[in-house]
Amino acid sequence: EVQLVESGGGLVQPGGSLRLSCVTSGFPFSDHYMDWVRQAPGKGLEWVGRIAKTAHSFSPEYAASVKGRFTISRDDAKSSLFLQMSGLKTEDTAVYYCARARRYLDYWGQGTLVTVSS
Amino acid sequence: EIVLTQSPGTLSLSPGDRATLSCRASQSGWSNYLAWYQQKPGQAPRLLMFGTSSRATGIPDRFSGSGSGTDFTLTISRLEPEDFAVYYCQLYGSSPFFGQGTKLEIK
Repeated sequence: EVQLVESGGGLVQPGGSLRLSCVTSGFPFSDHYMDWVRQAPGKGLEWVGRIAKTAHSFSPEYAASVKGRFTISRDDAKSSLFLQMSGLKTEDTAVYYCARARRYLDYWGQGTLVTVSS
Repeated sequence: EIVLTQSPGTLSLSPGDRATLSCRASQSGWSNYLAWYQQKPGQAPRLLMFGTSSRATGIPDRFSGSGSGTDFTLTISRLEPEDFAVYYCQLYGSSPFFGQGTKLEIK
């Protein structure tokens, strides 16, 4: 069974940093691109970024709204995906989902809530 | 930047009705990358359709997708109570974009 479990969310002050994790199981993690998607309270879905499978050696890609502040990485040995967030703004408040990527997002985690507030 | 526009914003129907949801892209040529997701309150999105018309694993055949060029449609042939949710289309290109969503509510 494919599973993705996010963690690391919480309350952080504007300008602060936070690192989200997504631990996966049930599929060959190293063979897959992985994405982060977020959803602000009561709003729609917003793509955050993507990391290629290690064999493809492409640099991660980011939405314009987070580029330069967020960094996606992966640890294939631990089947884990990470989102390092810095310079957080109130508008970054959202539920953050990790998802397995193909030409679509076929498996999603349950999400972790990040609240940026003073 | 590709813009996806979904319509209507809210669709009010009854169980047993047929639902037709629209997604219009600002550029053509993305049929292979057009997907639909269903999201219920407090839950993660769930993949329904990919490549415009292919159903994801476990999705009942009352769900179908069609379209080409810039215009795409998700059809639910006969609504079940569990189908009332928010539906998003997505183009998974170099920068994946989502439509703003259509809320399917019980009339």
